[in-house]
Amino acid sequence: EAGVTQFPSHSVIEKGQTVTLRCDPISGHDNLYWYRRVMGKEIKFLLHFVKESKQDESGMPNNRFLAERTGGTYSTLKVQPAELEDSGVYFCASSQFGGPEAFFGQGTRLTVV
Amino acid sequence: QKEVEQNSGPLSVPEGAIASLNCTYSDRVSQSFFWYRQYSGKSPELIMSIYSNGDKEDGRFTAQLNKASQYVSLLIRDSQPSDSATYLCAVNRDNAGNMLTFGGGTRLMVKP
Repeated sequence: EAGVTQFPSHSVIEKGQTVTLRCDPISGHDNLYWYRRVMGKEIKFLLHFVKESKQDESGMPNNRFLAERTGGTYSTLKVQPAELEDSGVYFCASSQFGGPEAFFGQGTRLTVV
Repeated sequence: QKEVEQNSGPLSVPEGAIASLNCTYSDRVSQSFFWYRQYSGKSPELIMSIYSNGDKEDGRFTAQLNKASQYVSLLIRDSQPSDSATYLCAVNRDNAGNMLTFGGGTRLMVKP
């Protein structure tokens, strides 16, 4: 069974540009989460989808971040316009409905220069 | 005070020894607790989950939970060099699959 997959694995963009990250959860997992780890800090929650609905987006830092999960399958996280402080590793995770055990993707390392 | 605290390490143990990793959390209503292992540049890998007070064993790993003391630990018996990684403690307020709160991780080094 395929795990959580994320694209791209690395992205280097200039300040002010737009970047879109993609996450494909484990098949059948209704819960999808985005997390972020910035340099030297712990992994922080961004938001949580249940199927296509946003269950909790309390961790989204500002309105430059937009997450979607059309059809309840894969999800995208768009940063527009990117700022230097957005640099970090963005992780996606998924879990079964009602299940607390979350499985993580390998992350997308975003560098804003 | 951080919500989930871990000693950043590195924790260095010789091969074959027991590695003891500790984690404290501040939210008393926390219900579920997880240990993830992360190799450099790789995804966090779930290795243990624990939901009730006491010990839970899985192979060489034992998770221990004490809700009264707000403390969770991970013991790795017969440590191997391949166990060298960063171990992340994560806490959930419920058992329904909501957000995880992570500690900063403890880097473990197992020396041959």
